[in-house]
Amino acid sequence: NAGVTQTPKFQVLKTGQSMTLQCAQDMNHEYMSWYRQDPGMGLRLIHYSVGAGITDQGEVPNGYNVSRSTTEDFPLRLLSAAPSQTSVYFCATWDRQDAYEQYFGPGTRLTVT
Amino acid sequence: LAKTTQPISMDSYEGQEVNITCSHNNIATNDYITWYQQFPSQGPRFIIQGYKTKVTNEVASLFIPADRKSSTLSLPRVSLSDTAVYYCLVGDIAAGNKLTFGGGTRVLVKP
Repeated sequence: NAGVTQTPKFQVLKTGQSMTLQCAQDMNHEYMSWYRQDPGMGLRLIHYSVGAGITDQGEVPNGYNVSRSTTEDFPLRLLSAAPSQTSVYFCATWDRQDAYEQYFGPGTRLTVT
Repeated sequence: LAKTTQPISMDSYEGQEVNITCSHNNIATNDYITWYQQFPSQGPRFIIQGYKTKVTNEVASLFIPADRKSSTLSLPRVSLSDTAVYYCLVGDIAAGNKLTFGGGTRVLVKP
């Protein structure tokens, strides 16, 4: 089992460009989420999903869109990249029965110039 | 959501026990306390979770006093590989609360 995978590992964008960060899990977990982590800071929740077709906003949702068409995938779309979105993005998944134990992917390091 | 306060950093030496205390004065009745560990360039990893008294697993112990206004993560006999950032989270997932990561405690284990 791969657990939680994220692609790409690194990405450089120019201001105004759009892109999609991919997250996939093979753990059959209902819950998935996206966090961003700025240098020296803790993680901040962007969006999360409690199941296919259901998403909700987290602490810092502006500039990002998500959708959840399958249990396995939870892509994060940057609509028009800004330098303030330079960060490391982590995807996480967890099971409803053990909700406090989240499994994180390896992260995507994004730089917006 | 209960706000948590942890020390910004701690230094220790190999073989010592490291204790990190987290304050959460406004913890709610149904809130659980969870600790995560994060190594550089990796996502956080669950360590331990508890509600009250003491919880122990193969990695750490979690001590929670009766008033639950604080908790202490104890790492026995640390090694260099325990150098990481440790996050204390408080919340009630069942109520729909989302766990919030604060700044964490940066633990440096020296040889």
